[in-house]
Amino acid sequence: GAVVSQHPSRVICKSGTSVKIECRSLDFQATTMFWYRQFPKQSLMLMATSNEGSKATYEQGVEKDKFLINHASLTLSTLTVTSAHPEDSSFYICSASGLAGGETQYFGPGTRLLVL
Amino acid sequence: AQSVSQHNHHVILSEAASLELGCNYSYGGTVNLFWYVQYPGQHLQLLLKYFSGDPLVKGIKGFEAEFIKSKFSFNLRKPSVQWSDTAEYFCAVINTGGFKTIFGAGTRLFVKA
Repeated sequence: GAVVSQHPSRVICKSGTSVKIECRSLDFQATTMFWYRQFPKQSLMLMATSNEGSKATYEQGVEKDKFLINHASLTLSTLTVTSAHPEDSSFYICSASGLAGGETQYFGPGTRLLVL
Repeated sequence: AQSVSQHNHHVILSEAASLELGCNYSYGGTVNLFWYVQYPGQHLQLLLKYFSGDPLVKGIKGFEAEFIKSKFSFNLRKPSVQWSDTAEYFCAVINTGGFKTIFGAGTRLFVKA
């Protein structure tokens, strides 16, 4: 099956610093990548959808200047949490789809971010 | 607003018991439906999906789900659960017009050996 990796798996940073999370589709070309945030004991919350080579579409309430998404190639998308604060601590999960929406998503293992 | 509701947040069953997890969605248009599973310490993976055709869908590990359009439901079933089915199960819906995925809150299943 399709494999999606995320790096790093865990990151601890100081408040005010920026953190970059990478999401890679290892064995298929991901036309669309999704970024989710998962709070403890809650479901996944879609943050943004990115298509290769174009700007990401952010969900309502998600600050695009704070959560920078780049989808520069068909196998890589990055999420940068800028000027991170403790309330940004969460579990961030990416997924990738080979077609423009509507298809099965393949999920990465997630990145746990802790902002001190 | 579109939503997906999973009726049970926690389910505890003994091995060999039958399982049914409810999922209802609120979108009235054409949808694709999914069940994803997250085993302890692992990432989300697809259990089964429905796009069109036979509304009774067979997935991996003996799971199946039935799409009942009139009830906006896509319940997950397994006739006899095993200890290894202990996991969190998420129902997800994508409306084929907007391609936005909405997940249910998840159901944590614990199967007693």
